[in-house]
Amino acid sequence: KQEVTQIPAALSVPEGENLVLNCSFTDSAIYNLQWFRQDPGKGLTSLLLIQSSQREQTSGRLNASLDKSSGRSTLYIAASQPGDSATYLCAVFQGGSEKLVFGKGTKLTVNP
Amino acid sequence: GAVVSQHPSWVICKSGTSVKIECRSLDFQATTMFWYRQFPKQSLMLMATSNEGSKATYEQGVEKDKFLINHASLTLSTLTVTSAHPEDSSFYICSARDLSRGLSGYTFGSGTRLTVV
Repeated sequence: KQEVTQIPAALSVPEGENLVLNCSFTDSAIYNLQWFRQDPGKGLTSLLLIQSSQREQTSGRLNASLDKSSGRSTLYIAASQPGDSATYLCAVFQGGSEKLVFGKGTKLTVNP
Repeated sequence: GAVVSQHPSWVICKSGTSVKIECRSLDFQATTMFWYRQFPKQSLMLMATSNEGSKATYEQGVEKDKFLINHASLTLSTLTVTSAHPEDSSFYICSARDLSRGLSGYTFGSGTRLTVV
């Protein structure tokens, strides 16, 4: 059974810092991995999607990497801003089942 | 990009009543939609997979008679919480994947906050 773990559970940083969020998964047989952002009481916004054949994806100040063999992904946020404050969720897509398996998320607070 | 609309965004109902939540794919057809439930400080838990024109597939431990799912068209799936109780209070989110875009990832609705009093 696939399990997704995100570390840390919460993170508080001053504005301007670069930071890394970690995601690990137990079964490396995945089709892709997706990072989402969730604001309080809201739905999920897709940030980056990494296919299993890719090693990283970039969008603006965000960079996500994937090491499928070790079951790890990282989300790098450069020059953090207060508007980046949210919960970041990592999810893996298992082939054949059409299911996304989520981690519990990392709650990020960027202080002005 | 693919857009999923979910309504209502919040609802308060009395214990024992039923509540219907709608999930629509606005600019693509979704043969499959997914319903999740999220408790505070917890991850999203898949409740069921909604298949257009056929019965939904429920995850282990989810009562299919309590959480009725109907996927009558390629753009609409509904989740009805029947005889709601306070323990059903939660955040419900739907998602869909636009298969015409290949492995494009999932798009989520904005969620529905259900409070049963």
